[in-house]
Amino acid sequence: EAGVAQSPRYKIIEKRQSVAFWCNPISGHATLYWYQQILGQGPKLLIQFQNNGVVDDSQLPKDRFSAERLKGVDSTLKIQPAKLEDSAVYLCASSLLSGGGYNEQFFGPGTRLTVL
Amino acid sequence: AQSVTQPDIHITVSEGASLELRCNYSYGATPYLFWYVQSPGQGLQLLLKYFSGDTLVQGIKGFEAEFKRSQSSFNLRKPSVHWSDAAEYFCAVGATGGGNKLTFGTGTQLKVEL
Repeated sequence: EAGVAQSPRYKIIEKRQSVAFWCNPISGHATLYWYQQILGQGPKLLIQFQNNGVVDDSQLPKDRFSAERLKGVDSTLKIQPAKLEDSAVYLCASSLLSGGGYNEQFFGPGTRLTVL
Repeated sequence: AQSVTQPDIHITVSEGASLELRCNYSYGATPYLFWYVQSPGQGLQLLLKYFSGDTLVQGIKGFEAEFKRSQSSFNLRKPSVHWSDAAEYFCAVGATGGGNKLTFGTGTQLKVEL
């Protein structure tokens, strides 16, 4: 079974530029998550989708970050314009449909973003 | 709101020695608890999880963890560390009210000396 795919693996941009990350979840996984992992910290949830609807985006900086999952499968996360503090690893994860119990989240390899 | 504390930022052990990584959580009820491992350039891999029942849980790669409600702890242990265990380890707590949301600790970087 293929895992969670992410691209690109690395990206270097200048501040104020825009950048987009792509994630393809495990087939059949209805729930998709984007996390931000700053160096020396644990992953922080930015946004959670269930199919193509947003479940939780309370920690997404909406003035510069946006995410979509138009067909309920793959997803893109965009930053525009980027700031120095956005330098981090962006992790995508997916799980079966989240309900009353808990479904394991499977993580992709991440995209390492460096903002200069 | 739930939170996780991993008090040790870095730990160094000799190969073959035992290991214990500490994790304390804050949550209003009995939470779901997890340990993940992250090797350089890799995503997070689930080592083990606790939902309910037996408080000593076994995971992959020879790891185990013990849930202690009275201490709000979920420490990770391994009796004999291998050089390939060098990585970063994250403890996480999940809310039991649904939603599948995870809150991670800041991680412990494990170095293994040969």
